[in-house]
Amino acid sequence: GQQLNQSPQSMFIQEGEDVSMNCTSSSIFNTWLWYKQDPGEGPVLLIALYKAGELTSNGRLTAQFGITRKDSFLNISASIPSDVGIYFCAGQRPGATNKLIFGTGTLLAVQP
Amino acid sequence: GAVVSQHPSRVICKSGTSVKIECRSLDFQATTMFWYRQFPKKSLMLMATSNEGSKATYEQGVEKDKFLINHASLTLSTLTVTSAHPEDSSFYICSADGPGDQAFFGQGTRLTVV
Repeated sequence: GQQLNQSPQSMFIQEGEDVSMNCTSSSIFNTWLWYKQDPGEGPVLLIALYKAGELTSNGRLTAQFGITRKDSFLNISASIPSDVGIYFCAGQRPGATNKLIFGTGTLLAVQP
Repeated sequence: GAVVSQHPSRVICKSGTSVKIECRSLDFQATTMFWYRQFPKKSLMLMATSNEGSKATYEQGVEKDKFLINHASLTLSTLTVTSAHPEDSSFYICSADGPGDQAFFGQGTRLTVV
């Protein structure tokens, strides 16, 4: 199955640092979504983006829908230990409501 | 609101047996649900789209006779792994189209085939 290219694969940072991760695709998407998954749990939606160029924040999280509709990034500012987890981007193609293609994931570890 | 519940959360079965996993939308109706599979430290891979009252649509490479999907009501979809083998061991996650056209995910089912 298809996956989106997500980078970095993993990040090990100190508490308080800012984090940035991104996803790219060879196809365009109508919607970009960012999820966080804790071990043994399903993914939880963090931010949804619906328009090219859209920049959306949710607390310390900020995400942008790329102008070309083929990429997106997620920033986390002032990281805290509970930010630990795996972050996934997901894209939704035109006409494929909620049929999501997931990125390869970014493992985030935050050291207090 | 908009809770999706999967049952069981963990299951261990013997090779050759079948296992059924349930996905329920607790406080909304979902005509469409999705089943994903996730290997350790890997991403979610879409297996199939479950449509209420009609046949499921399977992604390329997913055996429909191996992974039987039934979506008999607007709040329940089931995935049955038939004649399970150790290579079917994985984390299975469902999602349901919910309010605001958003996908809501279940908590996942860890299947181990021994």
